[in-house]
Amino acid sequence: AQSVTQLDSQVPVFEEAPVELRCNYSSSVSVYLFWYVQYPNQGLQLLLKYLSGSTLVKGINGFEAEFNKSQTSFHLRKPSVHISDTAEYFCAVSDPDSSASKIIFGSGTRLSIRP
Amino acid sequence: DADVTQTPRNRITKTGKRIMLECSQTKGHDRMYWYRQDPGLGLRLIYYSFDVKDINKGEISDGYSVSRQAQAKFSLSLESAIPNQTALYFCATSRGAVGEQFFGPGTRLTVL
Repeated sequence: AQSVTQLDSQVPVFEEAPVELRCNYSSSVSVYLFWYVQYPNQGLQLLLKYLSGSTLVKGINGFEAEFNKSQTSFHLRKPSVHISDTAEYFCAVSDPDSSASKIIFGSGTRLSIRP
Repeated sequence: DADVTQTPRNRITKTGKRIMLECSQTKGHDRMYWYRQDPGLGLRLIYYSFDVKDINKGEISDGYSVSRQAQAKFSLSLESAIPNQTALYFCATSRGAVGEQFFGPGTRLTVL
């Protein structure tokens, strides 16, 4: 069964600094990968997704992630964060060969931005 | 004009009470899901449904039941609520097997 590990439960960074949120998934022949963001008191919304093709995926709000099959990673990056990026970020994986279309979520990384 | 709505948004109840959480969607998606979110545990799947006649258990279905009344409606019930069911509950929808899901705003449930 698929699993997802988010290595950092909390990441504090200063405004305008770069950030990387780490995500590793259990090995599989093929995967779909997602990053979702949850702003305070809201539901989750999709930041970006990798289905196939280019390993560098660009999402909303200046975020991007790189699919690295050899390291089974899908780290999320932003070159310069803003206060408005304060949120919890979830990495998720699904198996495209399964008819279940279930998504397995990581435990989340809380990103806090300091002015 | 939210695409996925959940009612109620907040609910406080007592141990042993029956509770129903409702989810409606206007996205026209065939697949619907119920998750619970607990701090440090991410989201865990309770039940999912591919259409009105198809209901499947997720990883933590004990103590919960669901009803898919129509393609657009998917309800989650706690027959006899207990304190460790205190959590944030999310409904989600998707179309087909690609996997991208769209989430409602959540229901915060407290069981005293």
